[in-house]
Amino acid sequence: DTAVSQTPKYLVTQMGNDKSIKCEQNLGHDTMYWYKQDSKKFLKIMFSYNNKELIINETVPNRFSPKSPDKAHLNLHINSLELGDSAVYFCASSQVWGNLQETQYFGPGTRLLVL
Amino acid sequence: RKEVEQDPGPFNVPEGATVAFNCTYSNSASQSFFWYRQDCRKEPKLLMSVYSSGNEDGRFTAQLNRASQYISLLIRDSKLSDSATYLCVVNSPTANTGFQKLVFGTGTRLLVSP
Repeated sequence: DTAVSQTPKYLVTQMGNDKSIKCEQNLGHDTMYWYKQDSKKFLKIMFSYNNKELIINETVPNRFSPKSPDKAHLNLHINSLELGDSAVYFCASSQVWGNLQETQYFGPGTRLLVL
Repeated sequence: RKEVEQDPGPFNVPEGATVAFNCTYSNSASQSFFWYRQDCRKEPKLLMSVYSSGNEDGRFTAQLNRASQYISLLIRDSKLSDSATYLCVVNSPTANTGFQKLVFGTGTRLLVSP
């Protein structure tokens, strides 16, 4: 299947722990993104990478560190998890950076619950 | 003020009804506009792009009014399968960099009943 995939699908953890979410796309796209959707369903961009290079960092706390080992993968590591980090995290990709009409394809989401 | 504003709904309509959603955006530098659909506990998916001249895709019609910074989506002959949250999405420059990013509204929930 051609798609954007994320692991894990669900993540339940204690405050203060460190966790990672992985994302892979096999669409051959150059650009990948991380979004956070909070309990009020507000979807907001966190990071964008183009060909493994960070393009957008939307004033996300330093506890969040994205890493792109290659253009098909964009992982998100979160240190010292806080209750407010509980949300659904979506990875997305688009073919080319800078095309204003570009469609973004989203992964299925990772539901993170911090206790 | 949110950059993209939508009525959260829910809009409860019977099958076959016509329903319209509206959206306003605040950044006059925004250049591209979209409607995405998000089913419950699923990821957003592109429904359609919105062009200045208005565009139609089957039962769905999207309109853009740049002067009023207003976007609309009209769904005709509603089906049960149209029940979802409809996200108004605007492509806007990011602060300080000029790079574009997608800004999502909080969505309008549609419930179509038999």
